[in-house]
Amino acid sequence: QKEVEQNSGPLSVPEGAIASLNCTYSDRGSQSFFWYRQYSGKSPELIMFIYSNGDKEDGRFTAQLNKASQYVSLLIRDSQPSDSATYLCAVKDTGGFKTIFGAGTRLFVKA
Amino acid sequence: NAGVTQTPKFQVLKTGQSMTLQCAQDMNHNSMYWYRQDPGMGLRLIYYSASEGTTDKGEVPNGYNVSRLNKREFSLRLESAAPSQTSVYFCASSEGPVNQPQHFGDGTRLSIL
Repeated sequence: QKEVEQNSGPLSVPEGAIASLNCTYSDRGSQSFFWYRQYSGKSPELIMFIYSNGDKEDGRFTAQLNKASQYVSLLIRDSQPSDSATYLCAVKDTGGFKTIFGAGTRLFVKA
Repeated sequence: NAGVTQTPKFQVLKTGQSMTLQCAQDMNHNSMYWYRQDPGMGLRLIYYSASEGTTDKGEVPNGYNVSRLNKREFSLRLESAAPSQTSVYFCASSEGPVNQPQHFGDGTRLSIL
């Protein structure tokens, strides 16, 4: 059974701090990795995707991938109360067709 | 620009009833997906359609059927609803089937009594 593991949280950070969200996955052949944000009662929305080892930055968000360690993370700089949500890590399986989602990490940014 | 549209948004069924959830996308995407989301379990893939004319089982297909009606529409049918199928159902689409990000509809909240 292919798995994606996330700490359920809640992760609480003060406004303006860096929030660090982590994810590990079991399928060594995975090539595509995604972070989605989901507000309570809403649908997931794509924040970032990453395919290669290293860092990828987009505004206040940085995705980090380490395939050897089967680890992907999301850093949110200058966290805002509006960033308070559940963050879902998603990994495509070896074939690239099916996406396996983690259960999500709840982030709470305190004003 | 609607993106992915799901109907209905809410539904209550009795055990044994049948129903079809509708999904349509206007982004000219080739691939479409149905997920269910239960508390603490994340999103689980029910069925997907890599391209028009094809459908395949996901992680939790039992009790469900799907139809890819055309490139835009992908429906999910519960033939005989069971309380275990109470969940939030999301439809999603992507440009292609391999390694592409997905765009989600607003979801259908389904309760089965």
